[in-house]
Amino acid sequence: NAGVTQTPKFQVLKTGQSMTLQCAQDMNHEYMSWYRQDPGMGLRLIHYSVGAGITDQGEVPNGYNVSRSTTEDFPLRLLSAAPSQTSVYFCASSSTRGSGANVLTFGAGSRLTVL
Amino acid sequence: AQKITQTQPGMFVQEKEAVTLDCTYDTSDPSYGLFWYKQPSSGEMIFLIYQGSYDQQNATEGRYSLNFQKARKSANLVISASQLGDSAMYFCAMREGKRGSTLGRLYFGRGTQLTVWP
Repeated sequence: NAGVTQTPKFQVLKTGQSMTLQCAQDMNHEYMSWYRQDPGMGLRLIHYSVGAGITDQGEVPNGYNVSRSTTEDFPLRLLSAAPSQTSVYFCASSSTRGSGANVLTFGAGSRLTVL
Repeated sequence: AQKITQTQPGMFVQEKEAVTLDCTYDTSDPSYGLFWYKQPSSGEMIFLIYQGSYDQQNATEGRYSLNFQKARKSANLVISASQLGDSAMYFCAMREGKRGSTLGRLYFGRGTQLTVWP
């Protein structure tokens, strides 16, 4: 099915470890983004990209790194995991044109626990 | 200041009744868009409805309608004829800038947990 694919769905890390959350979309969307969802906090934007080679910070970028070398892929890297990064992470993409402009399509989410 | 405020942490409604979920927003940009998403207990995020700041009429999508009151900066979601499957977390969100803008971020509220009982 077309959409946004996130891997892994679950991950447990130890403090200080690094890892990459993968995100791929096959809808040729220009815009891709990463959110984290914490209880009672809604979704907060970590980083986003408006096209290959272009990224920018969101509300809570510290401790995370992104790159966008292709239209399809937008990986999120945790450089040195901390317990405060325990969260559910969502990748989302959208077109910037037409009736679907700015309507985000979300991945299924990745639950990360940092011990 | 929060861009999106959802003041109802939880709402309860009986099946087949209508329910209104509140959302207020804060922006000085004359161009913006408002969105509602549903998150069932399974965790996926589902887009429900969109309203543009220049849209003259309230948006409707099936049993969902958006009660847009621009002067009051409110964008309440109305669900008519509630069903058990409507039980979920509902998020209001706003994007500043023209539709299609690559510069606008999407800001989410903290959500309202809706429970529909038989």
